[in-house]
Amino acid sequence: EAGVTQFPSHSVIEKGQTVTLRCDPISGHDNLYWYRRVMGKEIKFLLHFVKESKQDESGMPNNRFLAERTGGTYSTLKVQPAELEDSGVYFCASSQESRGYYGYTFGSGTRLTVV
Amino acid sequence: AQSVTQLGSHVSVSEGALVLLRCNYSSSVPPYLFWYVQYPNQGLQLLLKYTSAATLVKGINGFEAEFKKSETSFHLTKPSAHMSDAAEYFCAVSVGGGATNKLIFGTGTLLAVQP
Repeated sequence: EAGVTQFPSHSVIEKGQTVTLRCDPISGHDNLYWYRRVMGKEIKFLLHFVKESKQDESGMPNNRFLAERTGGTYSTLKVQPAELEDSGVYFCASSQESRGYYGYTFGSGTRLTVV
Repeated sequence: AQSVTQLGSHVSVSEGALVLLRCNYSSSVPPYLFWYVQYPNQGLQLLLKYTSAATLVKGINGFEAEFKKSETSFHLTKPSAHMSDAAEYFCAVSVGGGATNKLIFGTGTLLAVQP
């Protein structure tokens, strides 16, 4: 089965610009997660979708971040306007059920650099 | 609050030596625990998981971990290190309840394998 796909793999943008990250989960996985790792820090949860609904968005840093999941399939994470502190690796993960009994499958991540 | 502590941000072993990466957790409920590995320029790959069944869990690439409730530990081991094991390793606990769950990660341990 195809894994979790993220693109772009790398993005370099200037402060103040907008960037949109995309994640395609494993087909049939209702649960989709976004995580972020800022350099030197731990991987932190951003939000959790169940199908097209936001189940938990407690980790979203601020209102410059907007996540959507169209029709319960792929998801996008938009950062507008980007700030320097938004630089990091953004991971997407999907799972069959939310607690992780079958594990969570991660994508390869998008490395975002804001200059 | 649930948390994960990984002792040692950098661990260096010789090829053929035992690998021991430490992870301690805190959780108010029986935890689901995970070890993920990130090879250079790749995404997070699930090594193994504990989901309340056998306390000794075997994973891929010869790794295993033992859940010890009395010690709140889930240390990762491999009897004989290989050069290809050089990577960053993350311990994580699934937290939440019902339909709302997410992973809490440790800060990661970078494993170096010396020839």
